Amino acid sequence: GENVEQHPSTLSVQEGDSAVIKCTYSDSASNYFPWYKQELGKGPQLIIDIRSNVGEKKDQRIAVTLNKTAKHFSLHITETQPEDSAVYFCAASGGYQKVTFGIGTKLQVIP
Amino acid sequence: DAGVIQSPRHEVTEMGQEVTLRCKPISGHDYLFWYRQTMMRGLELLIYFNNNVPIDDSGMPEDRFSAKMPNASFSTLKIQPSEPRDSAVYFCASSRTGESEPQHFGDGTRLSIL
Repeated sequence: GENVEQHPSTLSVQEGDSAVIKCTYSDSASNYFPWYKQELGKGPQLIIDIRSNVGEKKDQRIAVTLNKTAKHFSLHITETQPEDSAVYFCAASGGYQKVTFGIGTKLQVIP
Repeated sequence: DAGVIQSPRHEVTEMGQEVTLRCKPISGHDYLFWYRQTMMRGLELLIYFNNNVPIDDSGMPEDRFSAKMPNASFSTLKIQPSEPRDSAVYFCASSRTGESEPQHFGDGTRLSIL
């Protein structure tokens, strides 16, 4: 089955700096890569996703990149704000409904 | 539109008791997923349904766990008998059919078994 590794497990950045979270996956058949943000006491919420026919996708301060050859994908948050503090999960799916999640990254943005 | 609704939000019970967690998926979504979240193991898929039929229950930890989906708008996850190691946050999620459809999560049930 699919295996998704995510790092770092914790990340602290100063407000205004950038944050990068990296993930790798094992199954070359995976073709859909969503990213979720989980705030305290809430369920994970989709923030951005990328499909395997695209190398990069951007939405305001958030961008994702995908390297299919290396089986790497990353989340980039620019100009971080305190409200970006949360746990972020990467995930991979083979196009079917079953999704495998990374272990999560706790991001702390220091004002 | 209403999101995925889970109840109860918190449950505290004693070891050996039966626990029932409930989920109402988003209307029109025909996939439903149950996850368990712990610090040590992260988000684990327990079971998922398509059109009310269980498709993959390989993540269900043992026979004490069971899940049902009697209709398109309701699902339950039951633990009987409960044990302290079952303490975790349990999430329900739903999605539409289709390639690369995202899952939408409820806010979870925080379960504590004493």
